[in-house]
Amino acid sequence: GQNIDQPTEMTATEGAIVQINCTYQTSGFNGLFWYQQHAGEAPTFLSYNVLDGLEEKGRFSSFLSRSKGYSYLLLKELQMKDSASYLCAVGDSNYQLIWGAGTKLIIKP
Amino acid sequence: DTAVSQTPKYLVTQMGNDKSIKCEQNLGHDTMYWYKQDSKKFLKIMFSYNNKELIINETVPNRFSPKSPDKAHLNLHINSLELGDSAVYFCASSRGISGANVLTFGAGSRLTVL
Repeated sequence: GQNIDQPTEMTATEGAIVQINCTYQTSGFNGLFWYQQHAGEAPTFLSYNVLDGLEEKGRFSSFLSRSKGYSYLLLKELQMKDSASYLCAVGDSNYQLIWGAGTKLIIKP
Repeated sequence: DTAVSQTPKYLVTQMGNDKSIKCEQNLGHDTMYWYKQDSKKFLKIMFSYNNKELIINETVPNRFSPKSPDKAHLNLHINSLELGDSAVYFCASSRGISGANVLTFGAGSRLTVL
């Protein structure tokens, strides 16, 4: 079956760095997405990786290793507003998006 | 100038009632979706339309019926509401089918069935 695993919850300190991992097993691969979802709000797009390597976008970076079925989202210089859920999603061979359950990130002062 | 707008934002109703949620996008996207997010925050695809044509129809009770009058609109009608239907329903759109395209979500419609 198709599966995406990510930690349920993580805690980090304001100003620090946190890495949220995502492993996947899907039938085919057409890219991996990270979305951010604040409580009570809609998910918003953060990053897309289709080739191996690191994509950097400001304080956020996303890494992909297709051979390992692995990605991570790296958040630097954490701010209180980064407290949210982070959703990993993979496009499979049928171009359907398979979603992880999300990682709730709690930032402490 | 909201990109994906859905109404109503909140819906409280009794079991057995019928209700509708409307969605409109002004992004010129070809593909629209309905997702259900339950209390455990897991996003589940329900339906997807591409240019008014149904392309994804997951295992959803047939009490749920989507309608796409044109590619900018995708409405969701739910008959005979049950307690388990309580969730947040998100409408979304993308330029093409979702596996390789970014989704833009509406703000969500929180349905509470009493």
